[in-house]
Amino acid sequence: EPEVTQTPSHQVTQMGQEVILRCVPISNHLYFYWYRQILGQKVEFLVSFYNNEISEKSEIFDDQFSVERPDGSNFTLKIRSTKLEDSAMYFCASSASYYGYTFGSGTRLTVV
Amino acid sequence: TQLLEQSPQFLSIQEGENLTVYCNSSSVFSSLQWYRQEPGEGPVLLVTVVTGGEVKKLKRLTFQFGDARKDSSLHITAAQPGDTGLYLCAGRPGNDYKLSFGAGTTVTVRA
Repeated sequence: EPEVTQTPSHQVTQMGQEVILRCVPISNHLYFYWYRQILGQKVEFLVSFYNNEISEKSEIFDDQFSVERPDGSNFTLKIRSTKLEDSAMYFCASSASYYGYTFGSGTRLTVV
Repeated sequence: TQLLEQSPQFLSIQEGENLTVYCNSSSVFSSLQWYRQEPGEGPVLLVTVVTGGEVKKLKRLTFQFGDARKDSSLHITAAQPGDTGLYLCAGRPGNDYKLSFGAGTTVTVRA
């Protein structure tokens, strides 16, 4: 069964450092998303991406965050200067249509 | 922000019993999805409901979308230990791309 692949599975970074989280969505999917889940809290929407541009973003997705689809297969989330509160599981998801998300297994980001 | 309230937060039952998980909101959703999430993994989609009053069955799982599209329920018949997990509901308000998730119900089925 097709799956969304995320790398790395774990990332530890120093506060203030830049991190790039990588995702390979399902190949024929057109919609791409990033969500995050702080330990013990709800899954929260960050951003959606369609047709090579951001289609929607949450208030969490401030200027420290950016997304890119550099080569037609990868989808990346960059956090420019990490803060302690950015520590969370980050999930990439993709969908072929308006329904039916497929989530990746996530990247656990720990900012120290 | 459209809030989805799930209840109960925790549910522990004996194998063979039935259970129902509820997902409620004061907002209308164009669609609602149920996911199951294992520790350290991403949510896995179980079902999407779109039409008010819709009922979908997935083996022993029955999903219902309220007539007003503000609430949903997940019913498991004759629960088995393999049904243990975190069940999440997530709604899509209007034509938004984003999903708003509930906090989840942790289901434990004891053998």
